[in-house]
Amino acid sequence: AQSVTQLDSQVPVFEEAPVELRCNYSSSVSVYLFWYVQYPNQGLQLLLKYLSGSTLVESINGFEAEFNKSQTSFHLRKPSVHISDTAEYFCAVSDILTGGGNKLTFGTGTQLKVEL
Amino acid sequence: EAQVTQNPRYLITVTGKKLTVTCSQNMNHEYMSWYRQDPGLGLRQIYYSMNVEVTDKGDVPEGYKVSRKEKRNFPLILESPSPNQTSLYFCASSGRGLNSPLHFGNGTRLTVT
Repeated sequence: AQSVTQLDSQVPVFEEAPVELRCNYSSSVSVYLFWYVQYPNQGLQLLLKYLSGSTLVESINGFEAEFNKSQTSFHLRKPSVHISDTAEYFCAVSDILTGGGNKLTFGTGTQLKVEL
Repeated sequence: EAQVTQNPRYLITVTGKKLTVTCSQNMNHEYMSWYRQDPGLGLRQIYYSMNVEVTDKGDVPEGYKVSRKEKRNFPLILESPSPNQTSLYFCASSGRGLNSPLHFGNGTRLTVT
């Protein structure tokens, strides 16, 4: 079984400042890693994913995450946030034995609040 | 438009009164799942279905039932709701393979008094 830890429940940040949302996982086998975003009153949407290959993955709206196997981490970063990035962000993991992008274990979420 | 549709969006009910939350997807996805979201606990899987007539328990199945008679529909049934089932519920679906992400509905906020 796998688990995901998001230590920060809330992260306030000023607009145009950089941000890092932390995610650590544990698993006895190799994993796939995901970040989902939830805007107010909506369901979750896939932001980016790591399946294999390059450990640095990027989203279309400027977020990036780096898979670090030795530290079992998959932190999400953005060099300059916008007010529209205010949302809750969920890290999720799936192990390669039980399947791909659908059998996910989610973290408890990090609320990113961007202030002017 | 590709989407997962849940109904209703909001529901207030009383303890013990059976209810059903519907979920429908128009993407011909094999996999469907129900989650509940609670503050500080994130999303926890209730039930999932790999295909028609194939369902299995997730992490928190107690007090819930599901059925998958058609590929597009995956209703969540609470036979005798209790206050601890007050939560925000999400239905999700995906196709096969790693490159098919989960698509989520907009959620159903259930209050059981």
